[in-house]
Amino acid sequence: QVQLVQSGAEVKKPGSSVKVSCKASGGTFSSYAISWVRQAPGQGLEWMGGIIPIFGTANYAQKFQGRVTITADESTSTAYMELSSLRSEDTAVYYCARSHYYDSSGPIGYWGQGTLVTVSS
Amino acid sequence: EIVLTQSPGTLSLSPGERATLSCRASQSVSSSYLAWYQQKPGQAPRLLIYGASSRATGIPDRFSGSGSGTDFTLTISRLEPEDFAVYYCQQYGSSPPVRLTFGGGTKVEIK
Repeated sequence: QVQLVQSGAEVKKPGSSVKVSCKASGGTFSSYAISWVRQAPGQGLEWMGGIIPIFGTANYAQKFQGRVTITADESTSTAYMELSSLRSEDTAVYYCARSHYYDSSGPIGYWGQGTLVTVSS
Repeated sequence: EIVLTQSPGTLSLSPGERATLSCRASQSVSSSYLAWYQQKPGQAPRLLIYGASSRATGIPDRFSGSGSGTDFTLTISRLEPEDFAVYYCQQYGSSPPVRLTFGGGTKVEIK
C-alpha cells in the first residue's frame, strides 16, 4: 500500500523560505507523478507543480513560477517542495500527492497527510 | 491553461435527496482525464470518479459521473449523512509534463 508521509508543521517569517518533504513507501516511486497541492484556510485546492522522479524535471503552475522548486530524490523515495519569498497569503496546508497511473498526471490516488505552513511576523 | 468552473458554489439538500454538481471547462477536456474528489474538514481529498465516469475502488454506486467536452456532472443519487462535504473536479493529462487543474469546489450542506 502506497503511503506518503510529510514533514511537520512550520512557522515562517515573511520573506523567508520553507522546504517540505514527502517520503513515499510501497509501490514504485520513480515512475509516478508527484504533485504538490496547497489549500489556504477555508479555500479550495490549488496545484503548485509536479515532478516525475525518473525524469527529474519539474513543471510548475504559472502562479508559482520562479518562487517554487520541486525536486525528488530517488535514492530515498522522497520529494521536496521549497517555496521562497513567503508572504502571509502562503499560509496553507501543503499536500504531496501521487498519481494513480504511471503515465498520467492524475487522477490522484494517494495523498500525504498535509503540512501546515504558517507565515507570520 | 484550462480553467474549471464548478457550480453551484453551495448546494443545500436533505438526506435522501439527489445532488447534481456541475463542472465546466474553458476548453474541451478529454473525458479520459476528468476526475472528482470529495473532501471533508481536516482530511485530504478522496478520489471518487476518474475518466469522467469510472468509480474509484470502494466508492458506492450512488456516486456517478458523466459528461464530455466542456461539461461534466457528478451525481449523488441519494444523499447519505456522510456525503455532506466539499467536492472538486480536476483535469489532468498524460505525463510528462505533470499538469493538473482543480475547480473551485462545490459544498454540499445539510438543509
